[in-house]
Amino acid sequence: VQLVQSGEEVKKPGASVMVSCKASGYTFTSHGISWVRQAPGQGPEWMGRITVNNHNTNYAQNFQGRVTMSADTSTGTVYMQLRSLRPDDTAVYYCVRDGIDPDLWGRGTQVTVTS
Amino acid sequence: EIVLTQSPATLSLSPGGSAILSCGASQSITNNFLSWYQQKPGQPPRLLIYGSSTRAPGIPDRFGGSGSGTDFALTINRLEPEDFAIYYCLQYGGSLWTFGQGTKVEIE
Repeated sequence: VQLVQSGEEVKKPGASVMVSCKASGYTFTSHGISWVRQAPGQGPEWMGRITVNNHNTNYAQNFQGRVTMSADTSTGTVYMQLRSLRPDDTAVYYCVRDGIDPDLWGRGTQVTVTS
Repeated sequence: EIVLTQSPATLSLSPGGSAILSCGASQSITNNFLSWYQQKPGQPPRLLIYGSSTRAPGIPDRFGGSGSGTDFALTINRLEPEDFAIYYCLQYGGSLWTFGQGTKVEIE
């Protein structure tokens, strides 16, 4: 049972980034996926979630209008796109499996925004 | 949005001692869906407690969670060297999740 995330990204301010998270070892449609980011030296910040069986999304207010989460049930993969990147978007981005025990985290994807 | 406030910000303790970490919510958490995580540098958070008081698989019984509604606590007994880390609470009771700002448990 694991969530495997895509690799490190380096982007310029104003660009977009898409991070993927591929699930395996469990029934993909039985759990939603949340995205959490953690900037250097800061605590985790919840960005939003997607219910993969109906593609319903909920986004944190801080990211409304800048983030889109999607899911491909044929490959068991969830995507998070963040647009209009700023240097303070530099962080490690994690996907997390929903449930009564949110215990399954990806290893994280480092996204660096620098000119 | 539910705001979680953790206290204290830092706990300085000795191995073998006990720690009590608090997490207060700005409104009642649905189904007491409050979890606790431990994080060490360079690693993702590790789930310790979910549903306020249920230990995750493999978590030693020196870790205990309690509370309901808006007031929750994590107790760590008999502190081991590997327990010195940062601890975060997370509420996941509704469609929007929020994290506390963390408590650092450091060696005195």
